Order: sequence, then structure tokens, then C-alpha cells
Amino acid sequence: GQQLNQSPQSMFIQEGEDVSMNCTSSSIFNTWLWYKQEPGEGPVLLIALYKAGELTSNGRLTAQFGITRKDSFLNISASIPSDVGIYFCAGQLGGSEKLVFGKGTKLTVNP
Amino acid sequence: EPEVTQTPSHQVTQMGQEVILRCVPISNHLYFYWYRQILGQKVEFLVSFYNNEISEKSEIFDDQFSVERPDGSNFTLKIRSTKLEDSAMYFCASRGMTRTSTDTQYFGPGTRLTVL
Repeated sequence: GQQLNQSPQSMFIQEGEDVSMNCTSSSIFNTWLWYKQEPGEGPVLLIALYKAGELTSNGRLTAQFGITRKDSFLNISASIPSDVGIYFCAGQLGGSEKLVFGKGTKLTVNP
Repeated sequence: EPEVTQTPSHQVTQMGQEVILRCVPISNHLYFYWYRQILGQKVEFLVSFYNNEISEKSEIFDDQFSVERPDGSNFTLKIRSTKLEDSAMYFCASRGMTRTSTDTQYFGPGTRLTVL
């Protein structure tokens, strides 16, 4: 089945630092999504990307849909303590309803 | 802001028992989904549902699982005879129809299922 390789697995940073995480796949996806999950909660949509090369921002978050359609990155600028959580990438193949999730990047921000 | 809701938040059951997990999708959405997340692992797709029928399912979604939209608002996942390995968080999701900013899947808070 389709696999998404998400890295890094975890990050420990100081408040104010910028963060970058990415996902790669051997499959071509039509849609890339980035979700954040906090303990005991469901994934919350951060950014949705629909076109190869698309660069989209949501506040301090920026994500890009790779030109090959096989990868995406998420950047968080000037991190704050409430950014802690697990960030998941998810891809959707053409003609399929299912989202394929990465294994997540656990972010810890030290004040 | 409209959101997906799920009940119960936590369900404990004995192995072999039937469970029904309930979801109320966002009201104008037409596509509905169930996913599960075993503790510490990634979120996995189970099934998608549109126009009162299953549109896609994964290999996890075997004969022990079924879904139903019994009325205009609820969407349920039934596990007929639970196994220990069914213990997981189960997430319901829904999406609209048109390819706009709303055409993405929005997740509920999840039901934690514990099978003893």
C-alpha cells in the first residue's frame, strides 16, 4: 500500500525557533494535508494543498506541495509553547477517498 | 464553527461484545469516514461512505465492521464481535462535495475503545 515517510519523528526546540518537517512518498498524490493532533483529541486541519508547487500560509505556518507531487513540507516560524503536539501529513490519491497518513512529528517547545 | 461530534468519548467492552460508535458529521457534508489510531501509531483509514453506501474500504474493514447512516444526522460504526486488537481511537470525519476550501476531511474528537 501507499506509504508516507514523515521526518523528523520528534523535535525539541526553544520558543521562538523556526521548525521544518516534511513528508515524502513513492506515490503521486493529488492532495496534501497537514493536521495537528493534541493528546486525546482528533486531528485538526492546518493547511490543505491541491496543486503541485502550491505554497500556502496559515498564520505562522507555511506548507508546500512538492512539484513532483510526491512530497510536502510544513514550516512553523517563531514557535510558541502552544505549538506542541503531533503534526501529521496526509496524502490523497486521485480517485480515492482515503487519506494516507504519515507517522507524525512530535513537537516539543521549551519556553 | 460547525464540527464533527462523536459519542461516547470512551467505551470499555469485553472481548466478543458488539459496540456501536456514533458520530454526527457536519450538517451540510455528504461524505463520511471512519479512521482508527492504535495508541502511538499513525491514523489508518477504515471506510468511506457516500449516498448511503460504502464507497471505499480498507483491508482492516472486514466482515466484523459495518457502517450505517440511520437518519439524517448520525453515522455509526458497528463492530460485531470485538477483539483485543480493536482497542484504538476511532475517528469519524466528514467533508462537503465541492472542490473548495471546505473539500477536505474534518475530524471529530474520537472515541477511545478499550477491549478487555
